[in-house]
Amino acid sequence: NAGVMQNPRHLVRRRGQEARLRCSPMKGHSHVYWYRQLPEEGLKFMVYLQKENIIDESGMPKERFSAEFPKEGPSILRIQQVVRGDSAAYFCASSQTGWAYNEKLFFGSGTQLSVL
Amino acid sequence: DQQVKQNSPSLSVQEGRISILNCDYTNSMFDYFLWYKKYPAEGPTFLISISSIKDKNEDGRFTVFLNKSAKHLSLHIVPSQPGDSAVYFCQARGGGSQGNLIFGKGTKLSVKP
Repeated sequence: NAGVMQNPRHLVRRRGQEARLRCSPMKGHSHVYWYRQLPEEGLKFMVYLQKENIIDESGMPKERFSAEFPKEGPSILRIQQVVRGDSAAYFCASSQTGWAYNEKLFFGSGTQLSVL
Repeated sequence: DQQVKQNSPSLSVQEGRISILNCDYTNSMFDYFLWYKKYPAEGPTFLISISSIKDKNEDGRFTVFLNKSAKHLSLHIVPSQPGDSAVYFCQARGGGSQGNLIFGKGTKLSVKP
């Protein structure tokens, strides 16, 4: 399966712990996007990355959240000191070309984060 | 400020009938629109798209209509099938914001046999 791979599918953390969400884009894709879906809400853009660069992080909370997409390896969305309000489904998407092109996004199956 | 609005959170139709899902936008700079379908516990998948230079795009049972003057687009599914039951998201692009690919809140479609 050469699709977008996210792991883990489910992640349970206690308040104050760190959460690390991983995303491997489709083969040949160098653009990654992270979205968050809160219960009963739509998809909220968080961050857009290209290899080793953050292109747009305007949707990221200012504190505790960070993202990276290293030269080698998956993209990581990191949430420090999680709180209950961070409980949500986090989706990663990838594309071959960037935002400027009219290209559809390919989504992973998401990581469901539950904060106890 | 919600730039892409799907005002109907849910829609229920009978199998075989037409489903019409609506999407409104506020930013006249948006120039490309996509629809995605999402099943529970899965990521969204691309369904159909339309460029602002067109007013209609058709793909099998799915047709998207764009009314630029009204800043409105709609997705028509004919005939609707139970397997179409899912959440449908409208996405807009352009507007000068890179990467901030705006989604609506989604409309949950239920097609009853």
